[in-house]
Amino acid sequence: DVKVTQSSRYLVKRTGEKVFLECVQDMDHENMFWYRQDPGLGLRLIYFSYDVKMKEKGDIPEGYSVSREKKERFSLILESASTNQTSMYLCASNTGYSNQPQHFGDGTRLSIL
Amino acid sequence: KQEVTQIPAALSVPEGENLVLNCSFTDSAIYNLQWFRQDPGKGLTSLLLIQSSQREQTSGRLNASLDKSSGRSTLYIAASQPGDSATYLCAVNTDSWGKLQFGAGTQVVVTP
Repeated sequence: DVKVTQSSRYLVKRTGEKVFLECVQDMDHENMFWYRQDPGLGLRLIYFSYDVKMKEKGDIPEGYSVSREKKERFSLILESASTNQTSMYLCASNTGYSNQPQHFGDGTRLSIL
Repeated sequence: KQEVTQIPAALSVPEGENLVLNCSFTDSAIYNLQWFRQDPGKGLTSLLLIQSSQREQTSGRLNASLDKSSGRSTLYIAASQPGDSATYLCAVNTDSWGKLQFGAGTQVVVTP
């Protein structure tokens, strides 16, 4: 069965810390995505990657970076965490074919104090 | 820029009634439209994907239609059950990478 695994369900960090969110998929998918979900704003795309070491900015990349050193792993990095980055972060992957859905992890609820 | 709207924002129905959830989008140049379910504090579960060339998709009690020219999709859930209580999200794929633009969701409560 399809599986996208996010390393942490809940995470609490302090302002100014460098934060790493990890995501692993076991489906050999080409594309991987990071979204954040906020009440009233819905899901918004932060970054996506279409191949190893390849990345593209989404709608809200400011304050974030990503790393994809291996096909199955896509990391989201908060360079210097701020309170406005408190949110639910969701990772997803897909094959890249238009007849295939995106598969999501369970999410990481990140609180920045 | 593609905008996706879901109405109503919330819906409460008694068990056994059929559910009708609406999704509209502003740009008809889409690759596909996807419906997802989200339980509280959890990730998204894919329910149905309709490709741009299709009019509808069915899976069990779920049926989704797509009218690309008018920018609308409807998700029907037959004979609702309390276990159907969740937030339902629609999303349109507007590029070859599969990036999705999401609606804000419809929160559904099915009362026993």
